[in-house]
Amino acid sequence: NAGVTQTPKFQVLKTGQSMTLQCAQDMNHEYMSWYRQDPGMGLRLIHYSVGAGITDQGEVPNGYNVSRSTTEDFPLRLLSAAPSQTSVYFCASWPPERTEAFFGQGTRLTVV
Amino acid sequence: GESVGLHLPTLSVQEGDNSIINCAYSNSASDYFIWYKQESGKGPQFIIDIRSNMDKRQGQRVTVLLNKTVKHLSLQIAATQPGDSAVYFCAENRGGGSNYKLTFGKGTLLTVNP
Repeated sequence: NAGVTQTPKFQVLKTGQSMTLQCAQDMNHEYMSWYRQDPGMGLRLIHYSVGAGITDQGEVPNGYNVSRSTTEDFPLRLLSAAPSQTSVYFCASWPPERTEAFFGQGTRLTVV
Repeated sequence: GESVGLHLPTLSVQEGDNSIINCAYSNSASDYFIWYKQESGKGPQFIIDIRSNMDKRQGQRVTVLLNKTVKHLSLQIAATQPGDSAVYFCAENRGGGSNYKLTFGKGTLLTVNP
């Protein structure tokens, strides 16, 4: 089983560039979330989705957009990259009846 | 604001000893409290959870204790092994009874010395 797949694993962007971080899961999970992880801090929730067509903002949504057109995919878009968005990004999915979230391997993003 | 926090950022133990990782929380409305383990370069991995109406739950070599009076959560690892070296996060669900919103604390780095 592939589980949760994130692409790319590494990315360097210039300030002002846009890009999309991809997240796909093959477990038919309804819930999906994006987190960012910065040194010395826990995972902070960016956006989440409770099903296809339904998304909402988390703790730190500014500068990011999401959409959920299918159950499997939950891409995260950076509209105009800023150095403050340098971080490791994790995507997670889980079914509604569980607290066991399955995480991808992460995308390490550097904005210069 | 409401948060899930950690008492100690680092913990160093000898192989074979028991480890205790602590976590304080402030949101009394959470239904579940969860522990995750993150190894270097990987995503977090679920360890164990405990429902808010329980005081204790045991898994394989791990025990989670919940003290609602003082809003404190702990993870006990028995006979700690080098493979247990990782960052441990406590988390809570804040979906108003549903599990769609998991909020994580800052994490504790556990180092196991051989």
